Amino acid sequence: EAGVAQSPRYKIIEKRQSVAFWCNPISGHATLYWYQQILGQGPKLLIQFQNNGVVDDSQLPKDRFSAERLKGVDSTLKIQPAKLEDSAVYLCASIVERDGDEQFFGPGTRLTVL
Amino acid sequence: ELKVEQNPLFLSMQEGKNYTIYCNYSTTSDRLYWYRQDPGKSLESLFVLLSNGAVKQEGRLMASLDTKARLSTLHITAAVHDLSATYFCAVDMFRGSGTYKYIFGTGTRLKVLA
Repeated sequence: EAGVAQSPRYKIIEKRQSVAFWCNPISGHATLYWYQQILGQGPKLLIQFQNNGVVDDSQLPKDRFSAERLKGVDSTLKIQPAKLEDSAVYLCASIVERDGDEQFFGPGTRLTVL
Repeated sequence: ELKVEQNPLFLSMQEGKNYTIYCNYSTTSDRLYWYRQDPGKSLESLFVLLSNGAVKQEGRLMASLDTKARLSTLHITAAVHDLSATYFCAVDMFRGSGTYKYIFGTGTRLKVLA
């Protein structure tokens, strides 16, 4: 079974530029999460989708971050414009359904904003 | 709001020694997850604990859950260098809309010295 795919793996941009990350969850997984993990901290939920609907985006900085999951499969997360404090690893995770399933994480995208 | 705290935050231990990492959470939850993260890597699921009194073991790691005390432990037996990593616990919180949110702990950075 293929795992959660993410791209790119690394990205370096200047502040005020825009950037986009892509995630393809495990096939059949209805729920998809985007997390931000700042160095030395645990993952923080940015947005959660169930199929193509948003379940929770309460911690997404909506003035600069946006995300979509068209067709309920893969998803993109965009930052525009980026700030220095956005430097972090952006993790995508998915689960198949609610039954005590652990989340499966992708390799992450390490973003550096200069 | 659900809070998840781990201690210690940093742990340096000699090979062959035993130690326990603690995970406390602030509200009712019946499910707890342990993840491992190697430097520069994503999160790997270790254990899923689904009920009070649950105990799971894999190699030198054993996890347990006491939902009444809102406490989970990750016990390391006869540590070896390969166990050096950061360990996260996570608790899920039911939103009432049929979906769950996962809250991660602060992480415990373990270093096993030869």
